[in-house]
Amino acid sequence: QVQLVQSGAEVKKPGSSVQVSCKASEGTFTGYIVSWVRQAPGQGLEWVGRITPVFGTTDYAQKLRGRVTITADKSTSTTYMALSSLRSEDTAVYYCARASDYNGSGRYGIDVWGPGTTVTVSS
Amino acid sequence: DIHMTQSPSSLSASVGDRVTITCRASQGISNYLVWFQQQPGKAPKSLIYAASSLHSGVPSRFSGSGSGTDFTLTINSLQPEDFATYYCQHYYSYPHTFGQGTTVEIK
Repeated sequence: QVQLVQSGAEVKKPGSSVQVSCKASEGTFTGYIVSWVRQAPGQGLEWVGRITPVFGTTDYAQKLRGRVTITADKSTSTTYMALSSLRSEDTAVYYCARASDYNGSGRYGIDVWGPGTTVTVSS
Repeated sequence: DIHMTQSPSSLSASVGDRVTITCRASQGISNYLVWFQQQPGKAPKSLIYAASSLHSGVPSRFSGSGSGTDFTLTINSLQPEDFATYYCQHYYSYPHTFGQGTTVEIK
């Protein structure tokens, strides 16, 4: 089964930016959507946004809109999640996840998760 | 946005018990619901999609049901490796919101 490989842990200063990458170990993201989910320490899962790599179309969580950008490089089957103007509240593990259209409905549910990337925002 | 409410937030159970977790959507989502299991310090694992279909490799003691606004995840004969936190998430429309999670603890 495909695995998702994420970039390494990051430590950032408040006000700076971070970019996390996510690459499929085999194949491409064609026919799939890639979602990004984050989890603050001791908290639940929070949907960040998604991209349809083949088209580059995106949706973002309202609370992060304007600070988060998700992009995709089709040539390398890699997606990127960038977050700017970092705050301490952005400290979390950031997961990428592949989502599939299980029944041809045009709605995509997560099936494969990446291992997560820890982003720590601290002065 | 569609709000997802899980209950209970936590429960204590013994090995061999049957456990039921509920997830309620603030509006109808047909069967566009997934369930995940998360062990401490690890990435979530996908268990169920389309409300009731098991992912490959997931033990048959896990089952899901429901449609519209009310859904359940049932674990029959709880095993030691099942003690974890479980999340539901809808994928009906964006944003794909999660429930707050249910932690299954050892009694």
